[in-house]
Amino acid sequence: GENVEQHPSTLSVQEGDSAVIKCTYSDSASNYFPWYKQELGKGPQLIIDIRSNVGEKKDQRIAVTLNKTAKHFSLHITETQPEDSAVYFCAASLRSGGSYIPTFGRGTSLIVHP
Amino acid sequence: GAGVSQTPSNKVTEKGKYVELRCDPISGHTALYWYRQSLGQGPEFLIYFQGTGAADDSGLPNDRFFAVRPEGSVSTLKIQRTERGDSAVYLCASSLGWGGEETQYFGPGTRLLVL
Repeated sequence: GENVEQHPSTLSVQEGDSAVIKCTYSDSASNYFPWYKQELGKGPQLIIDIRSNVGEKKDQRIAVTLNKTAKHFSLHITETQPEDSAVYFCAASLRSGGSYIPTFGRGTSLIVHP
Repeated sequence: GAGVSQTPSNKVTEKGKYVELRCDPISGHTALYWYRQSLGQGPEFLIYFQGTGAADDSGLPNDRFFAVRPEGSVSTLKIQRTERGDSAVYLCASSLGWGGEETQYFGPGTRLLVL
């Protein structure tokens, strides 16, 4: 099965700095890579995703890059704000029937200090 | 519109008891997923429904776990003979399930504690 490694487990930055979270995956058949933000007591919320036929995607302050050859992908958050503080999860997804089943990383706790 | 809802929000039970966890997906979403999230871990896939049928149940850990979705909307996750290791947050998600739209919308979860 798929195995996803995520680093770092904790990331502390000052407001306005950039934050980078990195993930690797093992199964080359994975072809959909969502990123989720989870706040305390809530379910994960999709913030950005990328498909295997794209190398980079950007949405305002958030960008994701994908290197299929190396099997790694990264989340970049620029101009961090205190409200960005949360746990972030990457996932690598394999096709199953008409949907995708994600394997999640262990999460990165991002702390943005004002 | 309403998001995914899960009930109860918290459940405390004793070892060996039976529990049922309910999920109400977003209206019109044909795909429904169950995950389990242990403390400090990412969600772990359990089972996925497309309509009324279980399209993939490869994540169910053993035969004590069972899920149903009889009318293609609400789903119930059932755990028999609960064990302390079953303590976790059980998350439900739904997606449109067709047209290449893969975005899964998660509910707030049910926190299960087995004493």
